[in-house]
Amino acid sequence: DAKTTQPPSMDCAEGRAANLPCNHSTISGNEYVYWYRQIHSQGPQYIIHGLKNNETNEMASLIITEDRKSSTLILPHATLRDTAVYYCIVRATDSWGKLQFGAGTQVVVTP
Amino acid sequence: DAGITQSPRHKVTETGTPVTLRCHQTENHRYMYWYRQDPGHGLRLIHYSYGVKDTDKGEVSDGYSVSRSKTEDFLLTLESATSSQTSVYFCAIGTGANGNTIYFGEGSWLTVV
Repeated sequence: DAKTTQPPSMDCAEGRAANLPCNHSTISGNEYVYWYRQIHSQGPQYIIHGLKNNETNEMASLIITEDRKSSTLILPHATLRDTAVYYCIVRATDSWGKLQFGAGTQVVVTP
Repeated sequence: DAGITQSPRHKVTETGTPVTLRCHQTENHRYMYWYRQDPGHGLRLIHYSYGVKDTDKGEVSDGYSVSRSKTEDFLLTLESATSSQTSVYFCAIGTGANGNTIYFGEGSWLTVV
């Protein structure tokens, strides 16, 4: 599975959009981009995933560049409860669902 | 909520004793996983299962065994617990055709003294 690069931390004001970048320059054609987050002392929470098209669900939007070498997770209206570590993961469709978690981005939402 | 229940949620045990953690799911998913999470190492896959009695090793399987005799239950056993196995253990299920979207349980905190 391709490796990803994320900033170690970022702050966001409550009510504003949070844009979390992820670089995955070695991504292969059969690899998806997944985003998870982990709130302290809880299990990782699935947010969204995509292959090459932009995706949106009730939690967030995922924007993948045309060359697929980077992506951005957008939390449209950040709340204090969105404070968490966010993980960008790239994995192939035939990898039996195994996930390779990196260090992630610590996002702190402030009032 | 992915219908995953882990038990026990917290346990303290002595070195050398056997320990079994249970993961129970209510939605009949084929794929199930056990991860451990430690500071500085992130989440690491211990074992996984792709069906009843079908299991395989992950990246940190030494000292652990698993069993899946029913679709809904995936058991993780530490045959003889060591202090290095003090960790938070997460069970997960995989949904979709290849179990590609993974949902995690709330974790089991194990302390080996």
